[in-house]
Amino acid sequence: DAGVTQSPTHLIKTRGQQVTLRCSPKSGHDTVSWYQQALGQGPQFIFQYYEEEERQRGNFPDRFSGHQFPNYSSELNVNALLLGDSALYLCASSLIGATEAFFGQGTRLTVV
Amino acid sequence: GIQVEQSPPDLILQEGANSTLRCNFSDSVNNLQWFHQNPWGQLINLFYIPSGTKQNGRLSATTVATERYSLLYISSSQTTDSGVYFCAVESSGSRLTFGEGTQLTVNP
Repeated sequence: DAGVTQSPTHLIKTRGQQVTLRCSPKSGHDTVSWYQQALGQGPQFIFQYYEEEERQRGNFPDRFSGHQFPNYSSELNVNALLLGDSALYLCASSLIGATEAFFGQGTRLTVV
Repeated sequence: GIQVEQSPPDLILQEGANSTLRCNFSDSVNNLQWFHQNPWGQLINLFYIPSGTKQNGRLSATTVATERYSLLYISSSQTTDSGVYFCAVESSGSRLTFGEGTQLTVNP
């Protein structure tokens, strides 16, 4: 049973560029959430997707956007990258109505 | 929004020692999870425990929902237990709110 998978594992981008991160949920899960974890802090909720729609959003600017596909996989897009966007980006999947979440290994984004 | 506080922020143990990590939260919750973050960043599920007590090997957890806290017990600690332990709660809408974590170091 494949767990949550994310790609790429590491990424280096330049300020002002755009980036796309990808996530495949655990088999049987239909809900995907994205989190940002800065160094030395706990993960912060970005947004959640279910049935291809954004259900909830945390306190992140519109530069952060996402998408969910019919196979439940998801993308996180960040436009106009800032140095402060450097972080570990974590994807979590769960089954709607059953709230235990499982996380992928993360994508470490460095903005230079 | 809901607040989550973990203590202690840092803990250093000798191999074989026992420890207790605490998580306090400011409002009623539907879900509480404990995670161990490995050195590569992955969050490993330890317990899904909105209330009651669970045990898994050397680890156990207790959540007292009415008093808004949860405890994670680690017995006979091993060097492989080192890392950051996070408590995360969900109060509405399936979003998890994390504490700042406890950095555990187990020395041989």
